[in-house]
Amino acid sequence: AQSVTQLDSQVPVFEEAPVELRCNYSSSVSVYLFWYVQYPNQGLQLLLKYLSGSTLVESINGFEAEFNKSQTSFHLRKPSVHISDTAEYFCAVDQTGANNLFFGTGTRLTVIP
Amino acid sequence: GAGVSQSPRYKVAKRGQDVALRCDPISGHVSLFWYQQALGQGPEFLTYFQNEAQLDKSGLPSDRFFAERPEGSVSTLKIQRTQQEDSAVYLCASSLRGLRGTEAFFGQGTRLTVV
Repeated sequence: AQSVTQLDSQVPVFEEAPVELRCNYSSSVSVYLFWYVQYPNQGLQLLLKYLSGSTLVESINGFEAEFNKSQTSFHLRKPSVHISDTAEYFCAVDQTGANNLFFGTGTRLTVIP
Repeated sequence: GAGVSQSPRYKVAKRGQDVALRCDPISGHVSLFWYQQALGQGPEFLTYFQNEAQLDKSGLPSDRFFAERPEGSVSTLKIQRTQQEDSAVYLCASSLRGLRGTEAFFGQGTRLTVV
């Protein structure tokens, strides 16, 4: 069985401060890992993904995530957040042999001016 | 259009009513997925199509839920005899090929409220 845990349902942070959104997963087989972002009144958008190779992956807007196999984690970080980063962030797992993404419950990031 | 389009955006149904939700995937995308997102939860998988073939329907919660994609493009999710627990946002996603490693593009969803 697989599961994705996002421990923080809400994260408020001041503008230009660093942020980390946590994601842990459990799976008995190899996985691909994703972070999706949902801005208000918009659909889910892929932020970044880990498939193989370098364990540190980056997005075009300054976010990065590191795959840690021993800790089964894929935490999302940004060194300095912007007001426009306010959104809901979902961690997701694509398990070998499955035809679907398995999502966490989401973390609502609110950037405070 | 350029993205995945879902209609209607909002639907209010009386308990017991049948509803049909439509998804127009990105042109040329082979794979199509339906997800259900309850309030405060992440999306949960319902079903998966590759072209017109429904390869996985393991996530459909009951036999009141039915999905089709007869010509391998537009898909319809039908819910018969709606119940209050069916209230959720229904998301459609498409991808160019199979899911593994391929980006899935999501529509804005249809918010279904059963009263």
